Amino acid sequence: DVKVTQSSRYLVKRTGEKVFLECVQDMDHENMFWYRQDPGLGLRLIYFSYDVKMKEKGDIPEGYSVSREKKERFSLILESASTNQTSMYLCASSFRLGTQYFGPGTRLLVL
Amino acid sequence: GIQVEQSPPDLILQEGANSTLRCNFSDSVNNLQWFHQNPWGQLINLFYIPSGTKQNGRLSATTVATERYSLLYISSSQTTDSGVYFCAVDSNYQLIWGAGTKLIIKP
Repeated sequence: DVKVTQSSRYLVKRTGEKVFLECVQDMDHENMFWYRQDPGLGLRLIYFSYDVKMKEKGDIPEGYSVSREKKERFSLILESASTNQTSMYLCASSFRLGTQYFGPGTRLLVL
Repeated sequence: GIQVEQSPPDLILQEGANSTLRCNFSDSVNNLQWFHQNPWGQLINLFYIPSGTKQNGRLSATTVATERYSLLYISSSQTTDSGVYFCAVDSNYQLIWGAGTKLIIKP
């Protein structure tokens, strides 16, 4: 079975802090994705990566950056966390354009 | 861009009932996926179904690509079926997501 893990289930940070969210997949998938999910807004794509060191902006990249130094790991970085970045963050991976497999999510609260 | 609409937005049923969830999309797509998000937030892929019909136990899905819709059928609902059901269509490496159908199964 595909396994996608995220570094934390719950995270509390203060405004202005730098925040790292890590995602690791074990199926050698080329593609990895970061979404945020907010009530009433569904899932929105922040960034995705289709190869090591490659990244593409999604719908809402502002305030975020990403890093993919190894194929299995995709990191989401909040350079200076703000309260409007309080959300559920979901990581996913896929082989080419196939099924996306999701991690358990990280609920981030920015105070 | 492609629009994805799901209906109904909310559905409350008694255990044992059957249900049909609908997903309409506004343009041709390469594929369509159905997901279930459980009350703890975990998203699980149910079907990868660009066209045709697939079945997996009590769940089945049908996509009619030429008419731009897909249906998810849940038969003999169980309380563990509760959660939010999303459909998502592929557009250039990205998934375009519907807003979801929130399903509550009462015992």
